[in-house]
Amino acid sequence: KAGVTQTPRYLIKTRGQQVTLSCSPISGHRSVSWYQQTPGQGLQFLFEYFSETQRNKGNFPGRFSGRQFSNSRSEMNVSTLELGDSALYLCASSLQGTGNTIYFGEGSWLTVV
Amino acid sequence: SQQGEEDPQALSIQEGENATMNCSYKTSINNLQWYRQNSGRGLVHLILIRSNEREKHSGRLRVTLDTSKKSSSLLITASRAADTASYFCATDSSNSGYALNFGKGTSLLVTP
Repeated sequence: KAGVTQTPRYLIKTRGQQVTLSCSPISGHRSVSWYQQTPGQGLQFLFEYFSETQRNKGNFPGRFSGRQFSNSRSEMNVSTLELGDSALYLCASSLQGTGNTIYFGEGSWLTVV
Repeated sequence: SQQGEEDPQALSIQEGENATMNCSYKTSINNLQWYRQNSGRGLVHLILIRSNEREKHSGRLRVTLDTSKKSSSLLITASRAADTASYFCATDSSNSGYALNFGKGTSLLVTP
């Protein structure tokens, strides 16, 4: 069974640009969540989707958005990039959300210059 | 916000020794999961323990949960160099809204 797949793995963007990250969950998983990991703040929850509905959103500005498609694949978008958005963005999937084992992908390394 | 706090922040041991990492949290939880992260990589799931469970095993891993003390421990027996990684605990609760709350992690170094 394939794991959680994230693309791209590495990317460099310029301040002010926008970026879209993609996540394919494990087959059969309907919950997809996103986390940001930085050395200073650690792992922080961005949002969680289940069956195309956002069920929860973390404490991030509106520049961070996401969506989930009918096949459970998910994307997150960051607009008007700032230097502080440089981070490892991790996608995770599970059958139905917390309460189930949550599996993470390898992450997308975003560097904003 | 960070719910879990791992202790110690860093741990250095030799191959063959046991490694114990602790996690404390602040509010009542539903579940607690332990993850391993190798440098620059994603998180690898190790064990999920529910609030009504006290101990779980998986291979060389043993996790305990003490809800009265709001703490959990991860024991890795007979450590190997390949166990070198950062280890995180993550909790969820009725108030966390499908979010995992992570601690800052314990950095484990196992030397040959």
